Amino acid sequence: KAGVTQTPRYLIKTRGQQVTLSCSPISGHRSVSWYQQTPGQGLQFLFEYFSETQRNKGNFPGRFSGRQFSNSRSEMNVSTLELGDSALYLCASSWGNNEQFFGPGTRLTVL
Amino acid sequence: EDQVTQSPEALRLQEGESSSLNCSYTVSGLRGLFWYRQDPGKGPEFLFTLYSAGEEKEKERLKATLTKKESFLHITAPKPEDSATYLCAVPNDYKLSFGAGTTVTVRA
Repeated sequence: KAGVTQTPRYLIKTRGQQVTLSCSPISGHRSVSWYQQTPGQGLQFLFEYFSETQRNKGNFPGRFSGRQFSNSRSEMNVSTLELGDSALYLCASSWGNNEQFFGPGTRLTVL
Repeated sequence: EDQVTQSPEALRLQEGESSSLNCSYTVSGLRGLFWYRQDPGKGPEFLFTLYSAGEEKEKERLKATLTKKESFLHITAPKPEDSATYLCAVPNDYKLSFGAGTTVTVRA
C-alpha cells in the first residue's frame, strides 16, 4: 500500500511570493492534516480536513489556507511568504479520528 | 489546552545501554497516546498507539507503556540504527499535540 506522498519535496521562494503544496493520502484515508515543523517550535498543527470539510484549524495567520478535494487529496497555500515561514511542512492522513501517518514533507525555504 | 512534555531533550547512549524516554501529558479525556520516530529531514514514522493505563506495546527493541499521567518508551540494548528523534503526541479535536521530542544518539 502506497504511503502518503507530498509534492514538491523542496521549494525555494522569495519573500512576498505565494506557494502551493500538495498531499496525496493513503488510499482509503479520508482525513488529511497539515503540520509545520521548525527547530524552534517543533510540530505545530495547521488544519485538518475530512471529506472536503475543515474540522479544525491551528493558530496560524490567514495567509495559511488549505482545501481538500473529493478524492481526498489536499493542498495548502501560503500567500505573501515571510522569512519565518521557512519550515518542513508535513501532511498526515488517517481513517478519520485515530493514528495519523505522515508523508516525507516539503522543505520550504524563503529567501 | 493539551500539554505534552518530553524528557530528556537529548540522550546519548552506548550501543547496548538500555534507557527510557518520558512523555507526560495533560489532557482532558485521553483518547490515545501515539509514539513516532523521526529521522532528520523526514516525516515522523508511526510506532505505537496506547489507549489505556497499564497497556504495553513492543516492537523490536522498543517498548511503550502508559500510565494515567505519562508514557515511557523503553529502548533495550539499542543499536546505532535506533538513533532518531522520538516524538509522542495526544489527539484532540481532530489534531495531534506533539511534545518537543527526545533526540537519541547511539554510539557504536
